[in-house]
Amino acid sequence: EPEVTQTPSHQVTQMGQEVILRCVPISNHLYFYWYRQILGQKVEFLVSFYNNEISEKSEIFDDQFSVERPDGSNFTLKIRSTKLEDSAMYFCASSPQGSDTQYFGPGTRLTVL
Amino acid sequence: SQQGEEDPQALSIQEGENATMNCSYKTSINNLQWYRQNSGRGLVHLILIRSNEREKHSGRLRVTLDTSKKSSSLLITASRAADTASYFCATDATAGANNLFFGTGTRLTVIP
Repeated sequence: EPEVTQTPSHQVTQMGQEVILRCVPISNHLYFYWYRQILGQKVEFLVSFYNNEISEKSEIFDDQFSVERPDGSNFTLKIRSTKLEDSAMYFCASSPQGSDTQYFGPGTRLTVL
Repeated sequence: SQQGEEDPQALSIQEGENATMNCSYKTSINNLQWYRQNSGRGLVHLILIRSNEREKHSGRLRVTLDTSKKSSSLLITASRAADTASYFCATDATAGANNLFFGTGTRLTVIP
């Protein structure tokens, strides 16, 4: 069964550094999302992406964040200058046209030191 | 915030027993979904129930939705040790938005 994949599984970075988290959504899906989960807290929506542009974003998704679909398969989340509070699990999700079900990847654990 | 809370926060039962988890939310929804998360892992979609549905079944899962009370319940029958995980409900907004709002989750432990 096709699934969403994410790399790396764990990323450790220094405060102020840029990180790029990568996702490969399910191949025929058209809607893409990023969520994050700070340890012990709720899963929070960051951004949704459709037709090569952001369709919605939350208050968390400020100017430090950006998303890109650089080719036909990858979907990336970039954090330009990481802060300690960016430490979290970051989940990518995708959904096909006409479906409300979102399929999540296994997540990338980001640790900012 | 659109999403309310799940209760209980934690639930511990013996294998073979049924587990019931509840979810409340605050605004109108298109649908409500339940997800499962094993410790430190990704979210696995379990079941989706639309706002015009009242009950839905999938294998050992039974989900109910009461839009007048803005609440949902997830029942897992004949639980197994492998059901041990955190369970989250997630709702979307009715205004065409497709981002999900998650609750705080119920941590279920099934004791063999």
